[in-house]
Amino acid sequence: AQSVTQPDIHITVSEGASLELRCNYSYGATPYLFWYVQSPGQGLQLLLKYFSGDTLVQGIKGFEAEFKRSQSSFNLRKPSVHWSDAAEYFCAVGLSGGYNKLIFGAGTRLAVHP
Amino acid sequence: SAVISQKPSRDICQRGTSLTIQCQVDSQVTMMFWYRQQPGQSLTLIATANQGSEATYESGFVIDKFPISRPNLTFSTLTVSNMSPEDSSIYLCSVAGTSGQETQYFGPGTRLLVL
Repeated sequence: AQSVTQPDIHITVSEGASLELRCNYSYGATPYLFWYVQSPGQGLQLLLKYFSGDTLVQGIKGFEAEFKRSQSSFNLRKPSVHWSDAAEYFCAVGLSGGYNKLIFGAGTRLAVHP
Repeated sequence: SAVISQKPSRDICQRGTSLTIQCQVDSQVTMMFWYRQQPGQSLTLIATANQGSEATYESGFVIDKFPISRPNLTFSTLTVSNMSPEDSSIYLCSVAGTSGQETQYFGPGTRLLVL
């Protein structure tokens, strides 16, 4: 069965520090991969996505993610975190073969210390 | 990307009642989806809202509890019926097109508290 694992439930970083949020997926075919961010009291905003091609994808707000097929991973990174990045981050895999159904990970809650 | 609105943004309801949530998109979209996000949890797909036909429900969700309408390509409703406190969640709609590379865009969500 398809699944998405985000091993870190909570992460705390200092403002200006680098960030990496982990995401591993289980899916037999080539996945479509997404990172969404949910700020408190808000809906989900798309940060970036991977469909094919270059395995390093750039997103909004200075985020990037790298698809590693051998590790079934799609980790999200940012070189310098801002206080406004505090939010919940969700990794999702879209199932191919038509109109994609999204399978979400459990989410990682990011706290940023000043 | 499409601009998606949901009404109401939040509500407090009594158990045993029903609430209808509206999702409006500013452009025609092929696919509309409804998700539930229980407190502190991730998102779970309830159903795919199909225009002109019955919704397609995921395992664990039934039409009697979550009836869905999709009268056109820009609008859908989700009703949460005979509510109990366990239905307290955020309900989100999302939309996707037909480009062949499907990206789902989400509405702001409806925060429901059932007392």
